[in-house]
Amino acid sequence: GQQLNQSPQSMFIQEGEDVSMNCTSSSIFNTWLWYKQDPGEGPVLLIALYKAGELTSNGRLTAQFGITRKDSFLNISASIPSDVGIYFCAGQRTGNQFYFGTGTSLTVIP
Amino acid sequence: NAGVTQTPKFQVLKTGQSMTLQCAQDMNHNSMYWYRQDPGMGLRLIYYSASEGTTDKGEVPNGYNVSRLNKREFSLRLESAAPSQTSVYFCASKKGQGNTEAFFGQGTRLTVV
Repeated sequence: GQQLNQSPQSMFIQEGEDVSMNCTSSSIFNTWLWYKQDPGEGPVLLIALYKAGELTSNGRLTAQFGITRKDSFLNISASIPSDVGIYFCAGQRTGNQFYFGTGTSLTVIP
Repeated sequence: NAGVTQTPKFQVLKTGQSMTLQCAQDMNHNSMYWYRQDPGMGLRLIYYSASEGTTDKGEVPNGYNVSRLNKREFSLRLESAAPSQTSVYFCASKKGQGNTEAFFGQGTRLTVV
């Protein structure tokens, strides 16, 4: 398969701390997406990245499209309890297929 | 603003039974997808439809069939369910070719006993 390597697999952090996670691949991608999944729900898009080197923010979230086009990073600043969930990266080369990472489970301790 | 709607939300099947998972989107998207999600595996693509009238296999198509009924609807059929098909199934859609984001339904939790 084409699954992406996402790390860390899980994180337990104190409320207010910053969070960093990343996604790497042996293949080049043209688009990187970051999704968040709450329990019992489908993934919801957080940030989309379309160009190598691109840095995009969405509130407390910041994501970067790696220069090599083989990786992407997501940072969450000043975490809050509602940040709890599973975060997935997804990459797209050309055409229609997306490939997903295995997810990072985030727990925020109040 | 329904987005992507999946039915049913939960289903229990006996081994060998058949069923169809339904998916509809109201965003006028061209491309639709079916994924399965298993613990520690992330989301794996079963089948996708780039546009109305076309379907293609993804990473894990064995044991499944799909139908792109019209632009709105994309169904996933299990002809003879097996315990290995116990999973959470997600339907997604996106506008079409090129670099656009995909939107997901809420999922169908299927258990095969």
